[in-house]
Amino acid sequence: EVQLVESGGGLVQPGGSLRLSCAASGFTFSNYWMSWVRQAPGKGLEWVANIKQDGSEKVYVDSVKGRFTISRDNARNSLYLQMNSLRAGDTAVYYCAGSWGWYFNFWGRGTLVTVSS
Amino acid sequence: DIVMTQSPDSLTVSLGERATINCKSSQSVLSSSDNKNYLGWYQQKPGQPPRMLIAWASTRESGVPDRFSGSGSGTDFTLTISSLQAEDVAVYYCQQSYSAPLTFGGGTKVEIK
Repeated sequence: EVQLVESGGGLVQPGGSLRLSCAASGFTFSNYWMSWVRQAPGKGLEWVANIKQDGSEKVYVDSVKGRFTISRDNARNSLYLQMNSLRAGDTAVYYCAGSWGWYFNFWGRGTLVTVSS
Repeated sequence: DIVMTQSPDSLTVSLGERATINCKSSQSVLSSSDNKNYLGWYQQKPGQPPRMLIAWASTRESGVPDRFSGSGSGTDFTLTISSLQAEDVAVYYCQQSYSAPLTFGGGTKVEIK
């Protein structure tokens, strides 16, 4: 069974940092692009970042460029999102997703990040 | 950026009736190199993560009931639920995978009448 489990969310002050993790199981992690997608409370879906199977290519939405860094460890079947200089507008549930053809084929249950003083 | 616009914002349909959701992209998502439409559909039930239903505008994912179908090409797409069931109450999103930034429509909420 494919499983993605996010962790690392929480309450952080504006300007602070958080590192999200996503543990993958039930599929060949190294075969997939991986993604982070977020959803602000009561709002729609917003793609945040993608990383290629071997980590050699990373793509970000403009609003997080220079602040967020996506990475992966294929030996540990894990995906990460380092988030710096956090803003109130980054408050959202962050989902980890496995991607094929730049679709989001399977999803974790998400981790909530709240940026507030 | 490719802007995805869905309509309507919400839809109330009787059990067993047809539900139709529209999605329009601000530019074509049809690739000339492989003749594929880079358009997907997702279902998000309350309190759950999204689930992918359809890729390439009309290809159902494994396990998706055949009452869900996708159609369209270029800039105009449709998701149809042929006979609405109670478990189909959800918000539905379209998404273009043609170019970064990957973008979603605003969502269509489907409820039972």
